[in-house]
Parts: sequence; structure tokens; C-alpha cells
Amino acid sequence: GENVEQHPSTLSVQEGDSAVIKCTYSDSASNYFPWYKQELGKRPQLIIDIRSNVGEKKDQRIAVTLNKTAKHFSLHITETQPEDSAVYFCAASTRGSGGSNYKLTFGKGTLLTVNP
Amino acid sequence: ETGVTQSPTHLIKTRGQQVTLRCSSQSGHNTVSWYQQALGQGPQFIFQYYREEENGRGNFPPRFSGLQFPNYSSELNVNALELDDSALYLCASSPGGSGANVLTFGAGSRLTVL
Repeated sequence: GENVEQHPSTLSVQEGDSAVIKCTYSDSASNYFPWYKQELGKRPQLIIDIRSNVGEKKDQRIAVTLNKTAKHFSLHITETQPEDSAVYFCAASTRGSGGSNYKLTFGKGTLLTVNP
Repeated sequence: ETGVTQSPTHLIKTRGQQVTLRCSSQSGHNTVSWYQQALGQGPQFIFQYYREEENGRGNFPPRFSGLQFPNYSSELNVNALELDDSALYLCASSPGGSGANVLTFGAGSRLTVL
């Protein structure tokens, strides 16, 4: 099955700096790669996603890049702010058994701390 | 438009007991997935329901079961609870078709097994 590795597990930056989180996946059939932000005690919230037919996607201070050949994708946050502090999860989506359902396989998460 | 709601938010059970968790999907979403999130880990796929039938299952034993109702709401049932079942249980809904893997999560039900 799919395996998603995420690095680093913790990341501390100064306000205004950039943060980069990297993930690799194992199943070449994976075709959808979302990123979720989870604040302490709250639900995971989708912040950006990318499909396998696109190499890069940007939404204001957040961007995601995808390298299908190398099977890795990255989250880039520029001009970080204290409210960006949270756990970030990457995920890869594959069709499950039977071919009609979609499951997300998540990385273990990155705790991002933005220091004022 | 309402989001995904889950109940209860917290509960404590003892080993061997049974638990039922409930989820109401977001308006317009017909697919519900359940995930288990252990402390400090990413969510793990339990199963997905579509058209009231289980439509894919992760690596969880049969004592984890579920239902989906005609209004697309869903239940997760866990029998013979074990200590390792302590976790945050997340329900996520999604629309059908090409958006089926774009999940909207609920706030979760935190289960503690003593």
C-alpha cells in the first residue's frame, strides 16, 4: 500500500522567514496531494492541494510543488506569522480496493512553530 | 451550509465495552470516511461509506464497523474496546465524482479507553 514520509517532524522559524515541509510517497498511482493544518485540539483543515497533472500551485503565502518522477511534494510558506503555528500534514490519495473509493494516506505531521 | 458535525466530543470507556460515534456530513456531500488519529500521529483510514455501503476499508479489524444512513450521516461502532483504541476519531465527508477525495473533517470524537 501507499506509504507517505514527512520531514521534518518539528520546525521552528522566526516570524517573516520561510518554512518548507517535504513529503515523499511510494505509490506511483497516487494522483492527489492535499496539505492539512491542524491547530491544537481542532479539526484538520485543508489549506492547499495539488493534482498530479500540475507541478506547482500557489495561494497567497502558501505554495505546493510536486515532482512525480521523484515522488515527492513540498509545502512552502512564505512570510510566516505566529498564527501559522500548527501541525501540518501531507497526504496522498489513491484508489482503494475495488477502484471506486479514495483513501488518504497521511504523513506523521510537522509541528511548525513561528516565533514572534 | 453546515459543516461536518460529530458527537460525542469526548467519552471514556473501559476495556471490553462498545462505543458508537456519530457524524453528520456537510450539506451536499454523499461520501463519509472515518479516520483514527492516535496522539502525535497522522490520521489513519478506517473505512469509507457511499450509498449506505462500505466502499473501502483500511487495516482495521472487523470489530470496527459502520453504517451510513439515507441522509448520508454515519456511525462508527467499535466492539470489545482495547486500550490502543484510545484516539481521536475523525469523520470526513466529501462530494462524489472527481471531488470524492477532497475531504472536509469534523472536529472529532476523543475516545479514552481505561
